[in-house]
Amino acid sequence: GENVEQHPSTLSVQEGDSAVIKCTYSDSASNYFPWYKQELGKRPQLIIDIRSNVGEKKDQRIAVTLNKTAKHFSLHITETQPEDSAVYFCAASNQGGKLIFGQGTELSVKP
Amino acid sequence: NAGVTQTPKFQVLKTGQSMTLQCAQDMNHNSMYWYRQDPGMGLRLIYYSASEGTTDKGEVPNGYNVSRLNKREFSLRLESAAPSQTSVYFCASSEYSLAKNIQYFGAGTRLSVL
Repeated sequence: GENVEQHPSTLSVQEGDSAVIKCTYSDSASNYFPWYKQELGKRPQLIIDIRSNVGEKKDQRIAVTLNKTAKHFSLHITETQPEDSAVYFCAASNQGGKLIFGQGTELSVKP
Repeated sequence: NAGVTQTPKFQVLKTGQSMTLQCAQDMNHNSMYWYRQDPGMGLRLIYYSASEGTTDKGEVPNGYNVSRLNKREFSLRLESAAPSQTSVYFCASSEYSLAKNIQYFGAGTRLSVL
């Protein structure tokens, strides 16, 4: 079955810096890759997603890149702000619909 | 429009007790899911239901059972709770298609098994 590895587990940046979180997946049939943000004590919420026929997608300060050959994808956050502090999860899904999540990255943005 | 509603929010059980976690969605989604969240391990899929009348095992199904009661409701049952089942449980739903699988999560149930 699918396995998703996520790095780093914790990330601390200064406000205004960029943050990058990386994930690798094992199942070449996976074709949908969402990213979820979970604030402390809250539920996970989708922030951006990408399909396997697209190499990059951007939404304001957030971007995701996908390398199908290497089976890895990354989340990029530019101009970080304190409200970006949260746990971020990557996930992978094939046509069966199940999402397999990475272990999560705790991002801390210091003012 | 409440989205995904889970009950209860908190629960404390003794080892061996049973309980059912309830989940309901009002978005007319076909697919529903149960996850558990433990520190450092992300969200792990317990069971899912692709459509009314079907259920399938996820990554960690042992010790759990599920029922897709109707299109709106998907319950998770612990028949004989164990301390290893102490966790935060999330229910989610989605309108799965080949193009998208955006999952909407409930607020979670924090379960402690003593």
